[in-house]
Amino acid sequence: DAGVIQSPRHEVTEMGQEVTLRCKPISGHDYLFWYRQTMMRGLELLIYFNNNVPIDDSGMPEDRFSAKMPNASFSTLKIQPSEPRDSAVYFCASRPINNEQFFGPGTRLTVL
Amino acid sequence: GDSVTQMEGPVTLSEEAFLTINCTYTATGYPSLFWYVQYPGEGLQLLLKATKADDKGSNKGFEATYRKETTSFHLEKGSVQVSDSAVYFCALGPQAGTALIFGKGTTLSVSS
Repeated sequence: DAGVIQSPRHEVTEMGQEVTLRCKPISGHDYLFWYRQTMMRGLELLIYFNNNVPIDDSGMPEDRFSAKMPNASFSTLKIQPSEPRDSAVYFCASRPINNEQFFGPGTRLTVL
Repeated sequence: GDSVTQMEGPVTLSEEAFLTINCTYTATGYPSLFWYVQYPGEGLQLLLKATKADDKGSNKGFEATYRKETTSFHLEKGSVQVSDSAVYFCALGPQAGTALIFGKGTTLSVSS
């Protein structure tokens, strides 16, 4: 299996622009997670899905952030409008029911 | 609620030194415990895991034992290498089977 796939790997944008991050989980995994990692706050869980349904979005920082999972093989995390403080590495992870999570390589987002 | 506490870093060691990274947890029930490793510029990778009390997880010379009586899961390695330089995360998988709960991470730097 190719593992969790994220795109783009790097994104540089200007403040106010819309940013869309993409994730393809491992086939057959029931859960999908979005995390954000910064030096100041460490690894934060933003939202997770079970069988394409959002279960807990309490980690989403504000209404500018939204996430969707239209099918079992694709998810997006959108930031609109983006702000410099959104600069971070965003990770997608997936797992089957038995609890071991597999992480993607991450998307490094820089908002100027 | 459930939580994980790791020792603060960074940890700086010379090659072939003994490594211990402390991890303690608070949880209801009988969670699974994990150590993940993040190499520079990469996503998190599972290093080892233990699913019940007294289990010992091991991989690549690293070991950790699930101690229910002390609610601990300390990571150890007898002789570290420069290639072990990375960030190490302790994580807890709640029995209910939702998102893993991560510690803040401990940076290990090994010099030759």
